[in-house]
Amino acid sequence: KAGVTQTPRYLIKTRGQQVTLSCSPISGHRSVSWYQQTPGQGLQFLFEYFSETQRNKGNFPGRFSGRQFSNSRSEMNVSTLELGDSALYLCASGLGVRAFSGANVLTFGAGSRLTVL
Amino acid sequence: AQTVTQSQPEMSVQEAETVTLSCTYDTSESDYYLFWYKQPPSRQMILVIRQEAYKQQNATENRFSVNFQKAAKSFSLKISDSQLGDAAMYFCAYRGVNFGNEKLTFGTGTRLTIIP
Repeated sequence: KAGVTQTPRYLIKTRGQQVTLSCSPISGHRSVSWYQQTPGQGLQFLFEYFSETQRNKGNFPGRFSGRQFSNSRSEMNVSTLELGDSALYLCASGLGVRAFSGANVLTFGAGSRLTVL
Repeated sequence: AQTVTQSQPEMSVQEAETVTLSCTYDTSESDYYLFWYKQPPSRQMILVIRQEAYKQQNATENRFSVNFQKAAKSFSLKISDSQLGDAAMYFCAYRGVNFGNEKLTFGTGTRLTIIP
C-alpha cells in the first residue's frame, strides 16, 4: 500500500514568487491536511480538506491557499513568497470520518522543503 | 483552543535503558485522541502510539507505552529497552473528534538521544 506522496521534495524560490506543492494521499483516504514546520514556530496547522471542501483552516494569511481534487489529491499554494515562508511543509492523509475502530490516524508524507531566498 | 506542552526540549538515555517523555495538554472537550509521533532526521513523521480519551486502559505498542492521566491532562511516553533507532524528535499531539475540528495540535517536541 503506497504511502502519502509529496512533490517536490525540495525547492528553492525567491521572494515574491509563488509556489505550488502537491500531495497524493493513501488510496481510500478522503481527507488531506497540511502543516508547516519551522524551527521557530514548530508544527502549525494550515488547513484540512475533505471531499474537495475545506473544513478547517489555521491562522495563516490569505497568501496560503489550497484545494482538493475529486481523486483526493491536494495542492497548496503560497503566493508572494516571504523569507519567513521557508519551512518544511507536511501533508497528512486520513479517512476523514470517525473510524468505527476508534482513533482516526493521520499518515504523513515525507514533506516538501521550501527555501525562500 | 487546545494546547499541548512538552517541557523537556532534550532527553538522553543509555542504550537498553528506559526513558519517559512528558506531555501535558489543555482542553475543554471530553472526547479526543492523543498521539505520539516520532520524527527522525529523515523528517518523516511516524506514528508511535495513540490513545483514545474514552479508554481508561493505557495504550501499548511493543516497547512503547503511555501513562494517560485524563484528570491531570497528562500523557507521557515510556520507551523501554531503548535502541539506537529510537533517536529522533518526539512530538505529542492532540486531536479533536468533532467534524471540522480534527486538526492535530502539536507540542514543541523532545529531542531524544540514545547513548551507545
